[in-house]
Amino acid sequence: DAKTTQPTSMDCAEGRAANLPCNHSTISGNEYVYWYRQIHSQGPQYIIHGLKNNETNEMASLIITEDRKSSTLILPHATLRDTAVYYCIVRVGEGSSNTGKLIFGQGTTLQVKP
Amino acid sequence: NAGVTQTPKFRVLKTGQSMTLLCAQDMNHEYMYWYRQDPGMGLRLIHYSVGEGTTAKGEVPDGYNVSRLKKQNFLLGLESAAPSQTSVYFCASREPGRGGRKAFFGQGTRLTVV
Repeated sequence: DAKTTQPTSMDCAEGRAANLPCNHSTISGNEYVYWYRQIHSQGPQYIIHGLKNNETNEMASLIITEDRKSSTLILPHATLRDTAVYYCIVRVGEGSSNTGKLIFGQGTTLQVKP
Repeated sequence: NAGVTQTPKFRVLKTGQSMTLLCAQDMNHEYMYWYRQDPGMGLRLIHYSVGEGTTAKGEVPDGYNVSRLKKQNFLLGLESAAPSQTSVYFCASREPGRGGRKAFFGQGTRLTVV
């Protein structure tokens, strides 16, 4: 799986958009970008994923650059409950020798401040 | 719908003791994973399984064994616990699929080896 690089920490004001970047310059054509978050010491929670197109769901938006070497997770109106560690993961699609693996990096600690 | 359930939630072991952590999922998922998370660090993959009766090594498999005798259960065993295995253990499951599938995580097992 491609390696990802994320900033160690970020701050965001409550009510503002939080933009979390992720670099994955070695990503391959069949690798998906996933975002998970971990609040306090709970189990990680799925947020969103995409392959090449931008994606949006009820939690967030995912913007993937045209060359797919980086992406940005956007929380449109951050709240205090969004304070968490956010993980960007790049995972191969099905059918490869690495089928199934889900490898986490260090993640970005997002602190939402009042 | 319980999702992914880990048993036990907390455990203290003495060095050299053995124990088994149980992960159960009720979503009929093919893939299951065991991770460990040390303080201030991201999740590291111990072992994973892509189906009943199959297991594979992850990033940090030494000192652990796993079994997937039933599709819904994934067991993680410590034959002779060491203080270095003090950690929080997370189990996850997901469905395979070319369109990408999200993983569901349990709430963790906090293990202390003294």
